[in-house]
Amino acid sequence: DSGVTQTPKHLITATGQRVTLRCSPRSGDLSVYWYQQSLDQGLQFLIQYYNGEERAKGNILERFSAQQFPDLHSELNLSSLELGDSALYFCASSVGLAVSTDTQYFGPGTRLTVL
Amino acid sequence: AQKVTQAQTEISVVEKEDVTLDCVYETRDTTYYLFWYKQPPSGELVFLIRRNSFDEQNEISGRYSWNFQKSTSSFNFTITASQVVDSAVYFCALSEDTGNQFYFGTGTSLTVIP
Repeated sequence: DSGVTQTPKHLITATGQRVTLRCSPRSGDLSVYWYQQSLDQGLQFLIQYYNGEERAKGNILERFSAQQFPDLHSELNLSSLELGDSALYFCASSVGLAVSTDTQYFGPGTRLTVL
Repeated sequence: AQKVTQAQTEISVVEKEDVTLDCVYETRDTTYYLFWYKQPPSGELVFLIRRNSFDEQNEISGRYSWNFQKSTSSFNFTITASQVVDSAVYFCALSEDTGNQFYFGTGTSLTVIP
């Protein structure tokens, strides 16, 4: 158990809908990262927040947005969902700011299925 | 172009055999970091190792060992005397000093047959 929690575990929705994925980092970790794992694209870095502020952006679509709240939990919002958004969405957390030098601990993921 | 290439998509070995998972990376940065993660059937990604570009010493941790060679831009992972519990997808990843991004390879699915 990494200490990172993600809810829900599974989510099934329809095209065009909007969903929110939630992540709680390990106690003491200030950074939260979001990743998408799909059959087509593999594992892709989406976005990083550190202590409430956006710090790095990867291949995140404009239909997707994220935020980190004062209690450090984070939410990833996915809107106007398409079939291709079906994937496993991981959250990870780390103590500091730098992806390079801080070990990231991954949550169990949220499996999103868009029908 | 892929920054991290794991050419082996799937590997099957018989228990107790040694197996090496290949990872080739591409970067122009002089400072960078390489990682290996394990994704067992349960799905959670488990951190295995991080190496920085200035440390080319090979590392051994139990049955796991890593061979980092800057000359060939490779960071290969060897499991000695493989066990069924080693069955998983293994990902190699790269982080460059600039940009604070994380690039994963496509993963190698390892099956250890009892």
